[in-house]
Amino acid sequence: KAGVTQTPRYLIKTRGQQVTLSCSPISGHRSVSWYQQTPGQGLQFLFEYFSETQRNKGNFPGRFSGRQFSNSRSEMNVSTLELGDSALYLCASGRWTGGSTDTQYFGPGTRLTVL
Amino acid sequence: AQSVTQLDSHVSVSEGTPVLLRCNYSSSYSPSLFWYVQHPNKGLQLLLKYTSAATLVKGINGFEAEFKKSETSFHLTKPSAHMSDAAEYFCVVSANNRGYNKLIFGAGTRLAVHP
Repeated sequence: KAGVTQTPRYLIKTRGQQVTLSCSPISGHRSVSWYQQTPGQGLQFLFEYFSETQRNKGNFPGRFSGRQFSNSRSEMNVSTLELGDSALYLCASGRWTGGSTDTQYFGPGTRLTVL
Repeated sequence: AQSVTQLDSHVSVSEGTPVLLRCNYSSSYSPSLFWYVQHPNKGLQLLLKYTSAATLVKGINGFEAEFKKSETSFHLTKPSAHMSDAAEYFCVVSANNRGYNKLIFGAGTRLAVHP
């Protein structure tokens, strides 16, 4: 079974631009979560989508947004990029099992550099 | 609120010697706990998961972890380190118990393995 895929793997943007990152979950997984990893802040939760609905959101400004499509693929968008947005953005997918905590499987990440 | 504390930012061992990576957690209810590993320039790989079925959890590549409620600990161990174990390890707790997929990460422990 194919794992979580993320595109592109690397991106270079300049301040003020916007960027869209894509994530394709494992087949059959309907939950997609996004995380930001930086040397200073570590791994932080951005948001989670399930059945095209944002189910949970981390403590990030409104410049960070996302969506999920009917095939469970997800995109996240960052507008008006700042230098501090330079990070590894990780996507994770899981099967929502109802009452118990899901196991999340991570993709390789997208490395975003803002100049 | 849930949180995890990884007690060592760096651990250095010789190949063939035991590995111990320490993690304490805080949770207002019975937690789900995970260990993930991240090799350089890679995504996160699940090592093992605790969800109250058994206190000693066996994972991949010879790793295991023991859940100790009285000590609020979930330490990761391996009897004999291999050079390929050099990586960063994250202790993770699930943020709630309703199946929502929000993970709280520790700051990470970088494991170095010397010949």
